[in-house]
Amino acid sequence: AQTVTQSQPEMSVQEAETVTLSCTYDTSESDYYLFWYKQPPSRQMILVIRQEAYKQQNATENRFSVNFQKAAKSFSLKISDSQLGDAAMYFCAPLQGGSEKLVFGKGMKLTVNP
Amino acid sequence: GAVVSQHPSRVICKSGTSVKIECRSLDFQATTMFWYRQFPKQSLMLMATSNEGSKATYEQGVEKDKFLINHASLTLSTLTVTSAHPEDSSFYICSARGSPGRGGEETQYFGPGTRLLVL
Repeated sequence: AQTVTQSQPEMSVQEAETVTLSCTYDTSESDYYLFWYKQPPSRQMILVIRQEAYKQQNATENRFSVNFQKAAKSFSLKISDSQLGDAAMYFCAPLQGGSEKLVFGKGMKLTVNP
Repeated sequence: GAVVSQHPSRVICKSGTSVKIECRSLDFQATTMFWYRQFPKQSLMLMATSNEGSKATYEQGVEKDKFLINHASLTLSTLTVTSAHPEDSSFYICSARGSPGRGGEETQYFGPGTRLLVL
């Protein structure tokens, strides 16, 4: 079964600073998709960013960007200019190869300090 | 775009009763819908995958006779917890994929979740 590792269960960052959340995964596929979702205290899962493995260019969505290292099977999320509203659980979730299923990591709790 | 609703958001029921949770994709047709369960401070656990008009595919260890899933249309899937017991108390989340929006068809969009408490 595919595995996803988010090695840091918790992190904190000062408002306006930058933070990087790590994620590594295991797959035998060559073409797949990777996602980062956030879950704030409301518990609504919100799509943050998505990356297609065949694209070499790292995805960017406003203050959010990824560092996708395909050979290393690493998919980290960088949040720039952190805001209080960024405080949430963040889940890394590759799409299981040849499947429709997302494989979720254990999540990482991000605290943003004012 | 890509909005998924869930109803109810919260339900309390007595042990032995059945509870139905609805999941709707409001602005797109969902080719596939998923049901997850989330325990406090834990990640999401996939329960089943459903496609419109066909039987749901359940994950190993999930009782299909207890968690009945019906995917009647491209915008509606329901999860019925039959003969609920206190151990079924949990947070249930649905998701839908198939949006032509920015996320692409591989992207899952999530409902806000349903908190079930069985007394």
